[in-house]
Amino acid sequence: DGGITQSPKYLFRKEGQNVTLSCEQNLNHDAMYWYRQDPGQGLRLIYYSQIVNDFQKGDIAEGYSVSREKKESFPLTVTSAQKNPTAFYLCASSILRGRGTGELFFGEGSRLTVL
Amino acid sequence: AQRVTQPEKLLSVFKGAPVELKCNYSYSGSPELFWYVQYSRQRLQLLLRHISRESIKGFTADLNKGETSFHLKKPFAQEEDSAMYYCALKRDTGTASKLTFGTGTRLQVTL
Repeated sequence: DGGITQSPKYLFRKEGQNVTLSCEQNLNHDAMYWYRQDPGQGLRLIYYSQIVNDFQKGDIAEGYSVSREKKESFPLTVTSAQKNPTAFYLCASSILRGRGTGELFFGEGSRLTVL
Repeated sequence: AQRVTQPEKLLSVFKGAPVELKCNYSYSGSPELFWYVQYSRQRLQLLLRHISRESIKGFTADLNKGETSFHLKKPFAQEEDSAMYYCALKRDTGTASKLTFGTGTRLQVTL
């Protein structure tokens, strides 16, 4: 079953703790993305990666970090420096070239709650 | 800076009535616009893109550069159209599909 798998679906963390959200894809896509979704604000881009071992900041990268050691995996770490981490996080992937650009394939999301 | 505006948080229509979900954008480059949809308990997915100029599930959207709009339309709403709809703009930088999303409009189709 091809697609994007995010884990965990729900996560609780105490203030001051780092937490890592997993994102795996088996679509053989080169590009992967992390978005944050807050009520009334739509989706905002945190980080994206076009190739292994390379990634770029999005619009709201502060307090987050990522890695891209494998094509299939793009984990997101929410650090203690993120001032308002409680949110719904969406991972996505896409091809880089050709007619299908612009089509993002999304995971089911991870809901992080900071207590 | 790029921006996508969806002025309606909620749009409620009767089954069989026409639907128009509004989307306006601001972008200095050459825009590519998309509509994404999220049905209940499903993932966010692409509905249509302006380049394709296609009709998907009866929906169409025309890019109007003069009015900087990309409204989503359907002549006759169906119950199964009830969902959250997001308009998105692809920034013309590099090859990655960096999308700027609007805040979304929830479409509610009632009998």
